[in-house]
Amino acid sequence: DIQMTQSPSSLSASVGARVTITCRASQGISNSLAWYQQKPGTAPKLLLYAASRLESGVPSRFSGSGSGTDYTLTISSLQPEDFATYYCQQYYSTLGGTFGQGTKLEI
Amino acid sequence: EVHLVESGGGLIQPGGSLRLSCAASGFTVNNNYMSWVRQAPGKGLEWVSVIYSDGSTYYADSVKGRFSISRDNSKNTLYLQMNSLRAEDTAVYYCARGGSLSQIDCWGQGTLVTVSS
Repeated sequence: DIQMTQSPSSLSASVGARVTITCRASQGISNSLAWYQQKPGTAPKLLLYAASRLESGVPSRFSGSGSGTDYTLTISSLQPEDFATYYCQQYYSTLGGTFGQGTKLEI
Repeated sequence: EVHLVESGGGLIQPGGSLRLSCAASGFTVNNNYMSWVRQAPGKGLEWVSVIYSDGSTYYADSVKGRFSISRDNSKNTLYLQMNSLRAEDTAVYYCARGGSLSQIDCWGQGTLVTVSS
């Protein structure tokens, strides 16, 4: 099974700040990585897929990069609505798409 | 518009069984990879199971042998049969399009399963 290690587990930042969240896979996943945003009491929302492709309707301040085993999510200028929990997920494996542990982004 | 609606959650005693349903609209379930993902209270997301368009199925080790994923093409509905339920299966269960070999681009609203005596 592919394990995903996401860091940090929590992060405090201010409106307007630039933040980066990282995700490391236990083996190469060929950019088969997605990032999701989840707000309390709601289902997750897809932000990026294929490591760097922005889902339709997602603001361009969100970006993704990486290759092999290491990937990052960057929010270039935090907005009030961005305070949420973020998850990475690998979908490379036929045996299932494992998630990272999540990063709670707080003001 | 693509839409998923889960149902069937509730309170169940340990050792009991429950079947979750997920009605899809705006697309065809049997032409897509469909997953179940769960989230225990206050915890992160856990992928549970997938059914591929060819009908093959896979499960997380934590539910293997107890849970079974299936679909009804005539009803365009996905199911999760959960047997031998344990307290640690308590979670919100989400139905999702994708999740293995593809990103999840559509999520249901979730249904809460509580396993407790």
